[in-house]
Amino acid sequence: DAKTTQPPSMDCAEGRAANLPCNHSTISGNEYVYWYRQIHSQGPQYIIHGLKNNETNEMASLIITEDRKSSTLILPHATLRDTAVYYCIGNTNAGKSTFGDGTTLTVKP
Amino acid sequence: DTEVTQTPKHLVMGMTNKKSLKCEQHMGHRAMYWYKQKAKKPPELMFVYSYEKLSINESVPSRFSPECPNSSLLNLHLHALQPEDSALYLCASSHLGQGPNNEQFFGPGTRLTVL
Repeated sequence: DAKTTQPPSMDCAEGRAANLPCNHSTISGNEYVYWYRQIHSQGPQYIIHGLKNNETNEMASLIITEDRKSSTLILPHATLRDTAVYYCIGNTNAGKSTFGDGTTLTVKP
Repeated sequence: DTEVTQTPKHLVMGMTNKKSLKCEQHMGHRAMYWYKQKAKKPPELMFVYSYEKLSINESVPSRFSPECPNSSLLNLHLHALQPEDSALYLCASSHLGQGPNNEQFFGPGTRLTVL
């Protein structure tokens, strides 16, 4: 499974876009990139995933570079409730997913 | 129903006790997971069950014993734990396979304290 690298922390102003980067240079060709977030003391929550193409859902957008070595999660209009730890992980066929240290996003008023 | 439930929410146990954590899902998922999470650390995978059979054991000590009685239930039996086993224990479930739509759904966790 892919090893991922994320900045430890980021700040974002409320109402602005939050762009969270992830490096996954060891990802294999058929391994999806998944993003989760964990709000304090709750279970992680699925956000979005992708393989090669950019993806968008009601929560976020995911931009994956053409070489698939990195991706960016975009929260278009961050709110205070988006303050959380954000994890990007690779998802293998065996169901094994290794969480990296994630990025603590703090949305400020 | 897209919920994973875990009981109990909190558990305090002594080092000589035997207790069990329970997890349930009704999404038809055939993969179920146990994770351990210490404070300010990411979740660490402990066990994976695929089609009710143990497929991954991440070298977890034998004082943790998982059980999958059927496709909806997952238990974690605890015996002779140590204080350093105190953590948040998370259960998750997902579809199997490499393709899309096998995101993991997590329960709220059981906060375990070993005295």
